[in-house]
Amino acid sequence: RKEVEQDPGPFNVPEGATVAFNCTYSNSASQSFFWYRQDCRKEPKLLMSVYSSGNEDGRFTAQLNRASQYISLLIRDSKLSDSATYLCVARTGNMLTFGGGTRLMVKP
Amino acid sequence: DTAVSQTPKYLVTQMGNDKSIKCEQNLGHDTMYWYKQDSKKFLKIMFSYNNKELIINETVPNRFSPKSPDKAHLNLHINSLELGDSAVYFCASSPPGQGRNEQFFGPGTRLTVL
Repeated sequence: RKEVEQDPGPFNVPEGATVAFNCTYSNSASQSFFWYRQDCRKEPKLLMSVYSSGNEDGRFTAQLNRASQYISLLIRDSKLSDSATYLCVARTGNMLTFGGGTRLMVKP
Repeated sequence: DTAVSQTPKYLVTQMGNDKSIKCEQNLGHDTMYWYKQDSKKFLKIMFSYNNKELIINETVPNRFSPKSPDKAHLNLHINSLELGDSAVYFCASSPPGQGRNEQFFGPGTRLTVL
């Protein structure tokens, strides 16, 4: 079983739609969590950290459920520019473990 | 520009050759990393250095040898390249301290072994 698991997608949604991605992690010692975004043939970039209380950054909302070892990302009012791969990440000590990514394609 | 930079961006070489990839960061970070992203897009940690000292060494063949001449540089040397080494290699760095520290990635080096 992979340490961080995500549905690879692709999720094909129209502009303006709301889309949610889920992620599960297996290492209960993981201390903090992130969503990274990776555009095609580019490097990953931090989208947002994920806090237990849930956090929002504009159209993006992240949630963490430590009891279920589950992380989510909600994107409201999708834009064409949101098309990318979204990587769920768990940090244990100094090490980041990446999920395989969920591909999002937003269509006009 | 402040960033993590890698050279070369593309590397095409024959099986059995030895090659190096260079990484530099001018962000003043203490910790640097090498990741491998294979054709299935999984990004996996290979090595991590903190202030020139190796702190993470995942299950990577001995043919891969990182070298950190100073805390701003982490180079990756690969001996006797194999077909399975073909991947995108990303260098990254992060600032000091515990907590939710972001890692900043370089643009990647696309290695193709023929």
